[in-house]
Amino acid sequence: DTEVTQTPKHLVMGMTNKKSLKCEQHMGHRAMYWYKQKAKKPPELMFVYSYEKLSINESVPSRFSPECPNSSLLNLHLHALQPEDSALYLCASSQGESYEQYFGPGTRLTVT
Amino acid sequence: GENVEQHPSTLSVQEGDSAVIKCTYSDSASNYFPWYKQELGKRPQLIIDIRSNVGEKKDQRIAVTLNKTAKHFSLHITETQPEDSAVYFCAASGSGGGADGLTFGKGTHLIIQP
Repeated sequence: DTEVTQTPKHLVMGMTNKKSLKCEQHMGHRAMYWYKQKAKKPPELMFVYSYEKLSINESVPSRFSPECPNSSLLNLHLHALQPEDSALYLCASSQGESYEQYFGPGTRLTVT
Repeated sequence: GENVEQHPSTLSVQEGDSAVIKCTYSDSASNYFPWYKQELGKRPQLIIDIRSNVGEKKDQRIAVTLNKTAKHFSLHITETQPEDSAVYFCAASGSGGGADGLTFGKGTHLIIQP
């Protein structure tokens, strides 16, 4: 399996909701990433997990809470989001010691 | 932190001609430079990458060059085809070692005119 998968594809949530985004890879990669991409902009790094430990948090607001239950799974828990958080959320994975990152298809999030 | 500048923001070329996109980076410790192609509504796809111990890499119609001294790298696409139309992002990483996140340039919208 050479793909990164993400669910759901689309998510609409209110500002008081709690939801989670899920990412899965079965390539044996030891690093996983969350990026946020607004329309007509490049992806922006949010979090990096290396060997299931959070290694980079790019000063992301606490309403975004990442979790790495095991080496194949990465979650992003969402709570009390703002309309400006509406974006495409991309998950990626890479081998820990080389640098090729492979992206999932993303979750299109709309906050109402 | 790393800063990546990318030019041009839009590039229109005739089918069959070559396209060149240029990027500069700020952190001399960065050592990995990938290029991604993103079609509308789709995920970024890695098309080629280069590491700092190599000056040039080629894969069929696509090539990347790296000048570490000047801290710039470029993507070259020859014999362009309509399916090359997309947004192309350069990126840099590696200054922290191990599993680093990527810092992307702002993207180039490549348009192939028939």
